[in-house]
Amino acid sequence: DIQMTQSPSTLSASVGDRVTITCRAGQSISRWLAWYQQKPGQAPKLLIHTASTLQTGVPSRFSGSGSGTEFTLTISSLQPDDFATYYCQQYNTYSVFGPGTKVEIK
Amino acid sequence: EVQLVESGGELVQPGGSLRLSCAASGFTFNKYWMTWVRQAPGKGPEWVANIDQDGSEKYYVDSVKGRFTISRDNAKNSLYLQMNNLRVEDTAVYYCARDPGDGSGYYIWYFDLWGRGTLVTVSS
Repeated sequence: DIQMTQSPSTLSASVGDRVTITCRAGQSISRWLAWYQQKPGQAPKLLIHTASTLQTGVPSRFSGSGSGTEFTLTISSLQPDDFATYYCQQYNTYSVFGPGTKVEIK
Repeated sequence: EVQLVESGGELVQPGGSLRLSCAASGFTFNKYWMTWVRQAPGKGPEWVANIDQDGSEKYYVDSVKGRFTISRDNAKNSLYLQMNNLRVEDTAVYYCARDPGDGSGYYIWYFDLWGRGTLVTVSS
């Protein structure tokens, strides 16, 4: 299985901050990576697929980059609605999710 | 409205069985691969199983092979997960999710539509 790690596990930030979350794969997954946002009591919501393609309807302040084994999710200006947990997912070989990064209010 | 609605989760004893259902609406169900994903308390999601458009091709995570069976009824726009010989470690919220496909009718393995989930608790 391809293992996924995320850093940091928790991130404290303020509204308006630029936020970056890192996801690493245990082996190369090309660009077969997705990012999801999850709020308490809700299902995950797809934000980005193929490392950098924004899902329809997702605000442009979200962006993704990377390839191979290292990927980043960036929120250019954190909004109140963005406080949530973010998961990366590799789908190069089956599907494996990362452990998550919680973005909390500073 | 495009949506998925799961049902069937409940408290069950170890070794017991449960059948989860997922009702799809608002899209052409029989054109999509479908998936079950679970999430244990405080953990990240875990893909469990997926099934192709006509039910002829199925994949399972190793930890549920031989115990869980995914199926679908396209006439009823419904997806199912039969879970047998349940273990404490199967305790999780189970989500039904849609695979948008790769454009040629095959899976892509990320998920663009999710239900709200149904809670399965395995405990004595």
